[in-house]
Amino acid sequence: DIQMTQSPSSLSASVGDRVTITCRASQSISSYLNWYQQKPGKAPKLLIYAASSLQSGVSSKFSGSGSGTDFTLTISSLQPEDFATYYCQQSYSTLWTFGQGTKVEIK
Amino acid sequence: QVQLQESGPGLVKPSETLSLTCSVSGGFISSYYWSWIRQPPGKGLECIGYISNSGSTNYNPSLKSRVTISRDTSKNQFSLKLNSVTAADTAVYYCARVGLGDCSGGRCYSAFDIWGQETMVTVSS
Repeated sequence: DIQMTQSPSSLSASVGDRVTITCRASQSISSYLNWYQQKPGKAPKLLIYAASSLQSGVSSKFSGSGSGTDFTLTISSLQPEDFATYYCQQSYSTLWTFGQGTKVEIK
Repeated sequence: QVQLQESGPGLVKPSETLSLTCSVSGGFISSYYWSWIRQPPGKGLECIGYISNSGSTNYNPSLKSRVTISRDTSKNQFSLKLNSVTAADTAVYYCARVGLGDCSGGRCYSAFDIWGQETMVTVSS
């Protein structure tokens, strides 16, 4: 299995902050990396696919970068609606796996 | 606009079979891959498996001996069966569409682009 490790597991930030979340794969996955946002009691929402492509309808304040084993999700200016848990997910292998999640909380 | 609606019991007894159905509206299931994903309370996401547009399946090895994903194209539905359940199978279960992008070298970019609403399934006697 390809293990996905996110850091940090949680973070506290203020409205307007620039936030960066990191995801590391246990082996190279090229750009087969997606990012999701999940709010309590809701299904995850796809934000970024193929490491850096913005899903249709998603705000451009979200951006993704990286390839190989190291990836980042950046929120350019954190807004109240962005407080949520974020997950990375690889689609390189036939067993798709998620990171453990990063919870973004209000400072 | 494609929408997914899950249905099935919220309570299953230990050793019995968990059965969920996902009804797809606004699109044909024969055109995409479809997946089941679960999330134990307070924990992360786990992909259970998927069924392809041709009907072939792929399962998480940790669940492979107990899981079956099937589809009914006449009803535009796909289903999950997980047998011999235990308390460890208590989770929120999601159905999701797998959007496919460019393919190269036998691999296709893919992502869960549309999700059903959450269905909490508790395993308890």
